[in-house]
Amino acid sequence: DAKTTQPTSMDCAEGRAANLPCNHSTISGNEYVYWYRQIHSQGPQYIIHGLKNNETNEMASLIITEDRKSSTLILPHATLRDTAVYYCIVRTSGDSNYQLIWGAGTKLIIKP
Amino acid sequence: EAGVVQSPRYKIIEKKQPVAFWCNPISGHNTLYWYLQNLGQGPELLIRYENEEAVDDSQLPKDRFSAERLKGVDSTLKIQPAELGDSAVYLCASSPRRGGSSYNEQFFGPGTRLTVL
Repeated sequence: DAKTTQPTSMDCAEGRAANLPCNHSTISGNEYVYWYRQIHSQGPQYIIHGLKNNETNEMASLIITEDRKSSTLILPHATLRDTAVYYCIVRTSGDSNYQLIWGAGTKLIIKP
Repeated sequence: EAGVVQSPRYKIIEKKQPVAFWCNPISGHNTLYWYLQNLGQGPELLIRYENEEAVDDSQLPKDRFSAERLKGVDSTLKIQPAELGDSAVYLCASSPRRGGSSYNEQFFGPGTRLTVL
C-alpha cells in the first residue's frame, strides 16, 4: 500500500504557483520523499526528492515540514505544459532493495 | 542523449495469446525496472535487474510472466498466456547504478499499452 495521501485533483491558473500537498504521516526517519510527474501518454518523470531539508531545483521546490509528516511540491510559475499527474512517493528503507511505492497521485490541471 | 526505448507502443491481442515487450535502457544504466500501470493508478514494480541479475522479482506473477536481460543491456518481458486482466501499460525504466545511500532517479520509457480482448 502507498504510504502517502494526496488530493485526487487540483486546478491552478497559468502563471501562478501550484502548491501540491502530500501527507506521509507514517514516514520513518531514514525514508526519503520523492516527486515524479506523468504527462498524458508518457512515462513518469523525476522532479525532486528530499529527506529533511527543503530542496529546490530548476523544476520545483520541495518543502518538508519539521516533523516530516507532510510536504508540499511547489511549481513557482505553472504553465499549461505542467498539466500532469503528480506522484508523491516515500522510498522504503533499506539501501540494498529499496522500492518506490506509488499511489494514485494528484491530477493537476493548469488553466489558461 | 537517447532516452529509454520501448516497443511496441501499442499491442492488441486476444486472450490466451502470448505477447512480448522490449526495452532498451539508457546507455550505461545498470539498473532496469519493469512496471505495470493500470488506468488511474501509479506504476507497480514487476521486476528489477542489476545488470543481468534479477534482484527483485517478488511482484512478478511467475505462472504467466517472464523476463530476461541478456548481457545486462536490453530486456524483454513476456506474458504467456495473456488474460483479460493483463490489459495495462507496461513501463520500462532505468537508472545509472544500484540503489545506495544516494538516490539515482529512474528514467522511464513511454510504455507499451496492452489491450487483451
